[in-house]
Amino acid sequence: DAGVTQSPTHLIKTRGQQVTLRCSPKSGHDTVSWYQQALGQGPQFIFQYYEEEERQRGNFPDRFSGHQFPNYSSELNVNALLLGDSALYLCASSPRQGLNTIYFGEGSWLTVV
Amino acid sequence: AQKVTQAQTEISVVEKEDVTLDCVYETRDTTYYLFWYKQPPSGELVFLIRRNSFDEQNEISGRYSWNFQKSTSSFNFTITASQVVDSAVYFCALRPHGSSNTGKLIFGQGTTLQVKP
Repeated sequence: DAGVTQSPTHLIKTRGQQVTLRCSPKSGHDTVSWYQQALGQGPQFIFQYYEEEERQRGNFPDRFSGHQFPNYSSELNVNALLLGDSALYLCASSPRQGLNTIYFGEGSWLTVV
Repeated sequence: AQKVTQAQTEISVVEKEDVTLDCVYETRDTTYYLFWYKQPPSGELVFLIRRNSFDEQNEISGRYSWNFQKSTSSFNFTITASQVVDSAVYFCALRPHGSSNTGKLIFGQGTTLQVKP
């Protein structure tokens, strides 16, 4: 049973560029959430998707957008990258029904130079 | 406002010592969920335990135990006979009530645990 998988694991981008991160949820999970974790901080909730729509959003600007596909996989897009966007981006999945344990992937380390 | 506070930034112990990680939370919800996660240097958040607000029964799992007290809004985590492999950052998190919050967690700042041989 595959857990939450994310790609790429590491990437370096230049300020002003755009980036897309990908996530496949754990089998049987239909809800995907994204988190940003700056160095030395706890993860911060960006947004959550289920039924292919954004359902909840944290305190992040519109430069952060996402998408969920019919197979429940998801993408996180960040436009006009800033140096401060450098962080570990974590994807999490959970089922909407039943036990709501939230599982995380290994994350994508983004460095903006 | 909902908030999780882990007052201990870093803890260092010698192997085989017991160690308790503190977590205090704030919420106005009567129903909520609490979690502990472990984050090794690789970055993945490893799920350790989930607790529902209506279940105050404390739990022991091997060397791990959790003490949930609603009266003090605390959900502390104890490792008995610590091992070097326990070295990691530990996060306490709160999930608000509501079907729209199934994937939303509010994290504390984390406690870095170093277990020395």
